[in-house]
Amino acid sequence: EVVLTQSPAILSLSPGERATLSCRASQSVSSYLAWYQQKPGQSPRLLIYAASNRATGIPARFSGSGSGTDFTLTISSLEPEDFAVYYCQQRSNWPLTFGGGTKVEIK
Amino acid sequence: QVQLVESGGGVVQPGRSLRLSCAASGFTFSTYGMHWVRQAPGKGLEWVAVIWYDESNKFYADSVRGRFTVSRDNSKNTLYLQMNSLRAEDTAVYYCARERLNGDLQFDYWGQGTLVTVSS
Repeated sequence: EVVLTQSPAILSLSPGERATLSCRASQSVSSYLAWYQQKPGQSPRLLIYAASNRATGIPARFSGSGSGTDFTLTISSLEPEDFAVYYCQQRSNWPLTFGGGTKVEIK
Repeated sequence: QVQLVESGGGVVQPGRSLRLSCAASGFTFSTYGMHWVRQAPGKGLEWVAVIWYDESNKFYADSVRGRFTVSRDNSKNTLYLQMNSLRAEDTAVYYCARERLNGDLQFDYWGQGTLVTVSS
C-alpha cells in the first residue's frame, strides 16, 4: 500500500499569506496525485488532478507541483474561504489511498 | 447539474448488515466509474471500493474485502454498497463519488454522505 504523508498537520496563517502544503509518497506514484479541500460539515472538493492540473472552477491561486514521491499544493494568497483541511490522494497503485490531511487554520 | 444523493445509513448492531444507495442524476451514469469513500468521525478519508462503469471490475480496500460488496444498476442510475458483518470500526460517513473521467480514479463529484453507526 502506498502511504501518503502530509505535512505539516496544521498550518497557521493569516489571510493574504502564501500556504505551502506537502504530500510525500512511500513509493513513486508518478504524477497520479490529486488534492482535495474539505470544509467542516461538507464533502471534499477536487482541487488538483494529475499533480498539477486545476479542476473545473478552481481559482488560479491554487497550484500543484511535483512528481514521483514529493508533491506540493500552493495557495498563493489565502482567502477567508480557503481555511479548511486539504487531502492528497494517489491513484497509482491499489488500494487507492489518501494522506492524513493538513488543516489550514487562521492565525 | 451533477447530483449524488446517498441514503440508507443509520444505527446498526455489530455483525448485522446494511445497504447504502447513491442516486445519481445530471450525467450519463452508465459511462462513469463510481466509488465509495468513508470518513470516520473526526478522521481523514478512506477509500472503500470502486466499480467500473460496466461492472466489469470491482476493487476493495483490504479493511472491507469479503464483507462489503459494491454494485450498480445503470437502468436506475443508482450505486449500492452492501455491508455485511459490520464492525464498530466501520462507523463513518459514507460518500459516493464519481470519477472525473472513466478510469481516472480521481473524484470530481461527491455526495453529501450518509452516516453509518455500528454500535450495540
